[in-house]
Amino acid sequence: DADVTQTPRNRITKTGKRIMLECSQTKGHDRMYWYRQDPGLGLRLIYYSFDVKDINKGEISDGYSVSRQAQAKFSLSLESAIPNQTALYFCATAGAFTGELFFGEGSRLTVL
Amino acid sequence: QQPVQSPQAVILREGEDAVINCSSSKALYSVHWYRQKHGEAPVFLMILLKGGEQKGHEKISASFNEKKQQSSLYLTASQLSYSGTYFCGTEGSGNQFYFGTGTSLTVIP
Repeated sequence: DADVTQTPRNRITKTGKRIMLECSQTKGHDRMYWYRQDPGLGLRLIYYSFDVKDINKGEISDGYSVSRQAQAKFSLSLESAIPNQTALYFCATAGAFTGELFFGEGSRLTVL
Repeated sequence: QQPVQSPQAVILREGEDAVINCSSSKALYSVHWYRQKHGEAPVFLMILLKGGEQKGHEKISASFNEKKQQSSLYLTASQLSYSGTYFCGTEGSGNQFYFGTGTSLTVIP
């Protein structure tokens, strides 16, 4: 099993729908991140969390919210999806000292 | 806060060398390099820490100039397997990670 698991892997939805992307990890890491990837724009940070009570906005948090339900789980929500939120979303985790980020396999979201 | 990478794309023949640059407008604690194959997640290559030495990974090495807030990734004697998109990731004082826009590297026979 993968160390960082994202669900769903693919999702097509309609404008205005609420969507939740889930991320769970078995690495025991405290730091978790959500990124979106768009062609030519690289990976942009949406939200990050250093523990259950510590959640921070990244550079493009508007239109998104997150929940850190436990050390191992970090969910990303789109309250009312819009077409320009169509993207590939990655969850990543990092340990406190090594700094290396471990990525999930990605969740491809299409908003029609 | 997103670091700037250059070039955006490069095409090499097997055995040729390449340099990918990354610069930030913010003071950096560390710089990471990742490679992403098409349709896959990014994979960690190396990390360079402030005050640390140049690091290497197979025939891929990197440097970190703290004063200039710049890093460069050096790929020598490129192989077909080096093809992919390379991202630098920068970490500031708050442990947030920002990635650059990526450099597409294509190695042809």
